[in-house]
Amino acid sequence: AQKITQTQPGMFVQEKEAVTLDCTYDTSDPSYGLFWYKQPSSGEMIFLIYQGSYDQQNATEGRYSLNFQKARKSANLVISASQLGDSAMYFCAMRERSEGNTPLVFGKGTRLSVIA
Amino acid sequence: DAGITQSPRHKVTETGTPVTLRCHQTENHRYMYWYRQDPGHGLRLIHYSYGVKDTDKGEVSDGYSVSRSKTEDFLLTLESATSSQTSVYFCAISPGLSYEQYFGPGTRLTVT
Repeated sequence: AQKITQTQPGMFVQEKEAVTLDCTYDTSDPSYGLFWYKQPSSGEMIFLIYQGSYDQQNATEGRYSLNFQKARKSANLVISASQLGDSAMYFCAMRERSEGNTPLVFGKGTRLSVIA
Repeated sequence: DAGITQSPRHKVTETGTPVTLRCHQTENHRYMYWYRQDPGHGLRLIHYSYGVKDTDKGEVSDGYSVSRSKTEDFLLTLESATSSQTSVYFCAISPGLSYEQYFGPGTRLTVT
């Protein structure tokens, strides 16, 4: 069963607008972490933001925020005031923590294109 | 800069030949990972290591082996390369399970 689902293969957003990238996850582990990574056309993987399952508040990092809805098992990435440099692939990932030794599992990604 | 290098960065090889990819870190982190990235699949874990000589299989480990004889180096070997192993390979490191992973620049491998 797919543990991380990103349903939007591609999205377009106007420069300076906000955009939400969807991510749903599947786990029965009460302790887990959720991550977002950015991959620009140059190919490197850049860590953006992290949310722990017990964190009371949504994570924020500059223009990035994670809209964490635990009951719905969703961890959407919100990018405010989009810039041309935000055009990239975005990956959602999860780590289950109760078993200890579990690496990240990634979704298939969403390609975001920012239009001037 | 997370202090991760991968070598080679690009490689073209023929079917049936052995190939070894190297991941080197300067951070002395315990955990190291090898992923492959293919269109439509995102990143999939091949193998990972949680210490010197301690490794475990990931989702797509068939056809790959790994070794970690020193903290700083994690080697991925394709014993007999096949065209299905044409991919971009990423190494990642992490100080612990509760932390994010930092990725190397990737190796583009083409098997002809």
